[in-house]
Amino acid sequence: ETGVTQSPTHLIKTRGQQVTLRCSSQSGHNTVSWYQQALGQGPQFIFQYYREEENGRGNFPPRFSGLQFPNYSSELNVNALELDDSALYLCASSRDLNEQFFGPGTRLTVL
Amino acid sequence: AQKITQTQPGMFVQEKEAVTLDCTYDTSDQSYGLFWYKQPSSGEMIFLIYQGSYDEQNATEGRYSLNFQKARKSANLVISASQLGDSAMYFCAMREGEYGNKLVFGAGTILRVKS
Repeated sequence: ETGVTQSPTHLIKTRGQQVTLRCSSQSGHNTVSWYQQALGQGPQFIFQYYREEENGRGNFPPRFSGLQFPNYSSELNVNALELDDSALYLCASSRDLNEQFFGPGTRLTVL
Repeated sequence: AQKITQTQPGMFVQEKEAVTLDCTYDTSDQSYGLFWYKQPSSGEMIFLIYQGSYDEQNATEGRYSLNFQKARKSANLVISASQLGDSAMYFCAMREGEYGNKLVFGAGTILRVKS
């Protein structure tokens, strides 16, 4: 167990709705990264937060946004949900570049 | 741009035997890091092993070892003495650059261990 937790475990939304996913990083880890994993594919990098600032972003539209709090926990917000947003969303925390420890993920279904 | 290629969609191995999962990568950076993760059906990504591009020795972690061939740009994972619990999806990933902030993943290889 990595000590990285995510909530909720599963979520069902409809097109056009908004969703917030949460991640608590491992103790002492100041960096949180978010990934989207569509069924049958490898994870795709969404963005990373380091000490409450966005520190890099993948090829995702602006309706994917995030936040990191002073305790280094993080949120991923997705507006105007589309069917293709259905995926497993993974959060990873790290303290240095040689590690990224993942949480159990949130499985989002958009109907 | 970085690219990770895992050419084996699926592999079978007999329990207690060794298995090699292939991974090749493409990067123009001199400094990078290579990771292997295991993803069981539950979905959680479990870190297995890390190899830095400047590490002179191949990384090992228990039953896992990484066969790093820099000139060939390959980073194959070797699992020795396979166990039934090793059945899962395995992903190779790369962090590019000395201060790279993201992992780029391959498509994965499904490993099934037979009893």
